[in-house]
Amino acid sequence: AQSVTQPDIHITVSEGASLELRCNYSYGATPYLFWYVQSPGQGLQLLLKYFSGDTLVQGIKGFEAEFKRSQSSFNLRKPSVHWSDAAEYFCAVGAGPSGGGADGLTFGKGTHLIIQP
Amino acid sequence: DAGVIQSPRHEVTEMGQEVTLRCKPISGHNSLFWYRQTMMRGLELLIYFNNNVPIDDSGMPEDRFSAKMPNASFSTLKIQPSEPRDSAVYFCASSLGGSGMNEQFFGPGTRLTVL
Repeated sequence: AQSVTQPDIHITVSEGASLELRCNYSYGATPYLFWYVQSPGQGLQLLLKYFSGDTLVQGIKGFEAEFKRSQSSFNLRKPSVHWSDAAEYFCAVGAGPSGGGADGLTFGKGTHLIIQP
Repeated sequence: DAGVIQSPRHEVTEMGQEVTLRCKPISGHNSLFWYRQTMMRGLELLIYFNNNVPIDDSGMPEDRFSAKMPNASFSTLKIQPSEPRDSAVYFCASSLGGSGMNEQFFGPGTRLTVL
């Protein structure tokens, strides 16, 4: 079974500063990896996803993430955050090509991002 | 497209009552997922359907929980009888295609409070 760890429950960043949110996963084969964002009172929106190929993936809103197989990590980055980026961020793993068609995602507990003016 | 539609958005009920949550997936999507979000446990997959057929219900916590998908445009999650520990936000999501790589689109959620 897969699992996801987001070690930081809260992160505070000044507006304009760079951001990195950590995500570590556990899965026995090649996973599918996702980052979602949740604004207060809203559902989740996909930021980006990794399936194969280039390990650096670009997403919406200026976010990117890098898949590092050796570290079982998929950290999310943004070079300069905006106040509107304040939200809850979730890393998720899905069963990869060898997963036998299992579709459900396993989510981390989330990281709450606070933006200081 | 209106996106995934969930109703009601908020539900307050008393312990022991039956609760029914509803979901309308995005038209054309053939996979549907029910998740539960709590502070303690985060986001958990309860059950998912593919082409209206339940594929994996191993996340359903107890027999008090049941889910149906009578057609491609409607699903329900029922809790009977409800308990205070069922209080959570329940999300429905849908996707096109039957593999783990397809993006799941989430509804706004139903916030359930059981008194």
